[in-house]
Amino acid sequence: EVQLLESGGGLVQPGGSLRLSCAASGFTFSDFLMHWVRQAPGKGLVWVSRINTNGGSTTYADSVKGRFTISRDNAKNTVYLQMNSLRVEETGIYYCARNDETKKRGLDYWGRGTLVTVSS
Amino acid sequence: SYELTQPPSVSVSPGQTARITCSGDALPKQYAYWYQQQPGQAPVLLIFKDIQRPSGIPERFSGSTSGTTVTLTISGVQAEDEGDYYCQTADSSATWVFGGGTKLTVL
Repeated sequence: EVQLLESGGGLVQPGGSLRLSCAASGFTFSDFLMHWVRQAPGKGLVWVSRINTNGGSTTYADSVKGRFTISRDNAKNTVYLQMNSLRVEETGIYYCARNDETKKRGLDYWGRGTLVTVSS
Repeated sequence: SYELTQPPSVSVSPGQTARITCSGDALPKQYAYWYQQQPGQAPVLLIFKDIQRPSGIPERFSGSTSGTTVTLTISGVQAEDEGDYYCQTADSSATWVFGGGTKLTVL
């Protein structure tokens, strides 16, 4: 069974940092791109970042470029999101999701998310 | 960056057909995907590559495309279909984007 389990969320002050983790199981992790998606309370989905299978290529939404860093450890079946200089408007649930880009299947499995609250 | 535009809400009676549109300049060149999100839950992939349905997704969900607009059609809407629906695509630089979402209400 495919499982994605996010962790690392919590309360952080504006300007602070947080590192999210997403542990994967039930599939060959190194075969899939991984993404992070944010959802503010009561709002829609916002794509944040993606990383390719070996970690050599990353892409970010314009709003987080230079502040967020996505990485992965295929030996640990885990993807990370390092978030620096956090803003109040980045409060929300952060989901990780997998993507088989060769088959263009979109984000076919999602985790349950971890809540990040940016507030003073 | 580019945008995908969805209607904020669609209402339909049980058994009727709901159509949710998504418009964007990138859509003729890039595949579209659709996700369903029910309250308190993670999104679920409904449609990939414009028109294909993952295993386990009911046949009443279908996708279509015409120019800069893609459409999610739900035939014979059921009460359990109520929720939020999002379209998504990616540009050539691997930047992804979601539409703003459409709240489906089953009357």
